[in-house]
Amino acid sequence: SAVISQKPSRDICQRGTSLTIQCQVDSQVTMMFWYRQQPGQSLTLIATANQGSEATYESGFVIDKFPISRPNLTFSTLTVSNMSPEDSSIYLCSVAGGTMNTEAFFGQGTRLTVV
Amino acid sequence: QKEVEQDPGPLSVPEGAIVSLNCTYSNSAFQYFMWYRQYSRKGPELLMYTYSSGNKEDGRFTAQVDKSSKYISLFIRDSQPSDSATYLCAMRETGANNLFFGTGTRLTVIP
Repeated sequence: SAVISQKPSRDICQRGTSLTIQCQVDSQVTMMFWYRQQPGQSLTLIATANQGSEATYESGFVIDKFPISRPNLTFSTLTVSNMSPEDSSIYLCSVAGGTMNTEAFFGQGTRLTVV
Repeated sequence: QKEVEQDPGPLSVPEGAIVSLNCTYSNSAFQYFMWYRQYSRKGPELLMYTYSSGNKEDGRFTAQVDKSSKYISLFIRDSQPSDSATYLCAMRETGANNLFFGTGTRLTVIP
């Protein structure tokens, strides 16, 4: 399985500001995924990031709010823009792996609190 | 109706007990089924992965998938305090990127 590192591991931010979360993988991967884990709720996919193309966003998530970069095959960033307390959540980076890339592996997550 | 339903617990068992964790789902197109373990303040860790119906065993862990009932289970034998964590089920369709997760069941194994 890939080793996935996320930065920062946690942060407390003022409302109206933006935070960029970094995800580094120890091997080249085609697709990287960003998930949100809100308290008491299921992990939810925000978007899929492919190198060299725009990210694909899931229903309910938009690029203006969650811009994503994917400059190479081992790195991606997710920005949470114009934050409000409702954005307080854990944000997780994930990559596909295993046989036929059908398994999903996760970083340790970024715990964001917006005050 | 949610795609995946999972009892959030919490579930407390004595050390050595057999633990049964379950999820139900509504989408008959799901073919890949996973169980993740998530310790507090950590990311989910893949425990078991099953394709289609059947059983899979790995040490003290057994995963079962019953596609006819749209029901999956994870059994933990001889549970240990180190098994205390939140267990998440997840599933996807063939060829799809999106994983659908349950809300997770919080398990505590009491020494």
